[in-house]
Amino acid sequence: SSELTQDPAVSVALGQTVRITCQGDSLRSYYASWYQQKPGQAPVLVIYGKNNRPSGIPDRFSGSSSGNTASLTITGAQAEDEADYYCNSRDSSGNHGFGGGTKLTVL
Amino acid sequence: QVQLQESGPGLVKFSQTLSLTCTVSGGSISSGGYYWSWIRQHPGKGLEWIGYIYYSGSTYYNPSLKSRVTISVDTSKNQFSLKLSSVTAADTAVYYCARETRFGVVTYYYGMDVWGQGTTVTVSS
Repeated sequence: SSELTQDPAVSVALGQTVRITCQGDSLRSYYASWYQQKPGQAPVLVIYGKNNRPSGIPDRFSGSSSGNTASLTITGAQAEDEADYYCNSRDSSGNHGFGGGTKLTVL
Repeated sequence: QVQLQESGPGLVKFSQTLSLTCTVSGGSISSGGYYWSWIRQHPGKGLEWIGYIYYSGSTYYNPSLKSRVTISVDTSKNQFSLKLSSVTAADTAVYYCARETRFGVVTYYYGMDVWGQGTTVTVSS
């Protein structure tokens, strides 16, 4: 599947800004989508496309992309943002891949 | 509001076939622009994409699982299904069904915007 690389863990102080990155060749041609997963729950889509948020996702979540790197930024992180975050993309053949996930800790 | 619900045995014997069904409610599985997907998560690990099916029946599978996976759709029941053959302990995981939506008109982009709650499948010896 499409190979995507994420940092395993990131931490952020409450109210500060954090960026979670995802790298992969497929990202040069396709946008990443981002998912938040809390323990014992199904993943939730938080960002898709260039920088689109589904209904109900706070505007402190934003996305960007440059070259082979996609980023999820949380501006003013809240305690409830502590979760695992996964990126996903597809390649030209339709194959998909998830990144390994980033565990976000809010201090 | 579309909802997805997985169903199937929680315990499967070694070397047998895992079979799960995802029932779609609140919308039609035959609507274009949606890819009906299966994803799994091994205990304490990350997400692994298994494959998807379009309502027309076209499929795409993760190359690492392709030889053992079949995804089918039953539009009359508004369901899609996963079969994974020759299971081993490595197939023990939480299995999710999800809807991947194709957004955009000229340029497409995608997101899995609806997920089932997940179902735990354990492979026993």
